[in-house]
Amino acid sequence: EVQLVESGGVVVQPGGSLRLSCAASGFTFDDYAMHWVRQAPGKGLEWVSLISWDGGSTYYADSVKGRFTISRDNSKNSLYLQMNSLRAEDTALYYCAKDIREAAAGTPYFDYWGQGTLVTVSS
Amino acid sequence: QSALTQPPSASGSPGQSVTISCTGTSSDVGGYNYVSWYQQHPGKAPKLMIYEVSKRPSGVPDRFSGSKSGNTASLTVSGLQAEDEADYYCSSYAGSVVVFGGGTKLTVL
Repeated sequence: EVQLVESGGVVVQPGGSLRLSCAASGFTFDDYAMHWVRQAPGKGLEWVSLISWDGGSTYYADSVKGRFTISRDNSKNSLYLQMNSLRAEDTALYYCAKDIREAAAGTPYFDYWGQGTLVTVSS
Repeated sequence: QSALTQPPSASGSPGQSVTISCTGTSSDVGGYNYVSWYQQHPGKAPKLMIYEVSKRPSGVPDRFSGSKSGNTASLTVSGLQAEDEADYYCSSYAGSVVVFGGGTKLTVL
């Protein structure tokens, strides 16, 4: 059974930094690209970032480019999101999501999602 | 990276069909056959219902179907059931990024 478990969400002050983690199990982690998707309270979904299966390619939404960094450790079956210069508008539930396609650099389709970790940016 | 446009709400009675639209531009929906739809129940993670415009992942009932014409994609739910009541989001590839619609709340009357 595929499982994705996010952690690291806390309350942080504007301008602060945070690293989110996602522990994956139930599939061959290093065969799949992975994504972060966020959802502000009561709002819709927003794609944040993609990393290819080998970590060689990364992509970001304009809203986080230059502030967030996605990475992965295939030896630990783990995905990360380093978040710097945080703003109030980054407040959201952050989901880790698995790409649908094996051995691809990344597709825009997410077939498994975690339950999310809540990041609140507030003074 | 503008969000795709969806109606905020849709509704139908059990057994009826409902279609939800998703309008983008030639830079996203109209430019690629990379449209997907997600269902989200309150307090739950989203679930992939349709990908590549009209393909259904394993386990998704064939009551759910997708299509696209020009810059507008559509999700049709046939034979509405109570458990179909949820928020639905469309998304599209937009050249190295993914954009979502604002979501549509589907109510089963």
